[in-house]
Amino acid sequence: KNQVEQSPQSLIILEGKNCTLQCNYTVSPFSNLRWYKQDTGRGPVSLTIMTFSENTKSNGRYTATLDADTKQSSLHITASQLSDSASYICVVGYGNNRLAFGKGNQVVVIP
Amino acid sequence: DGGITQSPKYLFRKEGQNVTLSCEQNLNHDAMYWYRQDPGQGLRLIYYSQIVNDFQKGDIAEGYSVSREKKESFPLTVTSAQKNPTAFYLCASTRQSSGNTIYFGEGSWLTVV
Repeated sequence: KNQVEQSPQSLIILEGKNCTLQCNYTVSPFSNLRWYKQDTGRGPVSLTIMTFSENTKSNGRYTATLDADTKQSSLHITASQLSDSASYICVVGYGNNRLAFGKGNQVVVIP
Repeated sequence: DGGITQSPKYLFRKEGQNVTLSCEQNLNHDAMYWYRQDPGQGLRLIYYSQIVNDFQKGDIAEGYSVSREKKESFPLTVTSAQKNPTAFYLCASTRQSSGNTIYFGEGSWLTVV
């Protein structure tokens, strides 16, 4: 069983609309949670990173939230643009510098 | 500019041949990693290195080998023992401390023909 579950697996949204991606994890001891954006055929690029004491962090139109008690995180994309079409990967740091990767949320923004 | 450079971007290999993927970083990072990504799957750790001349197996190390002779370089060799080598390979690096940003290279596509 994957230790980091992301949902929905994929979604299509209209340009200008908002969307929220979910990440649930089971790994412990928790260290940090990161969201990455990966364009097709490219390397992932960091969007946000949050530690245990942080419950929200923004990067432009991207806002990540973290509830370490329920082991849930979300990534909210505001006023989506065509360039937001990508896979969004949730990565949880735990233990001694270990990382657990989700399979990604595939987002397609259409005009 | 600082960053991670992977080469080649695309590589074709015949069955039975070894191939080496290059990964170079000029970020002065101690830790470097190799991941494999298959369609619809999350990244899986192949090997990682926390310091020069030391490296550890990840979750799927069989059929792969690495070296870390220099801080800035972490090449990955895909050997003929790897049963299903066709995949997208990503190299990454980070500072040693937990919570630091992980920087990824642009990836290398390996196809076995």
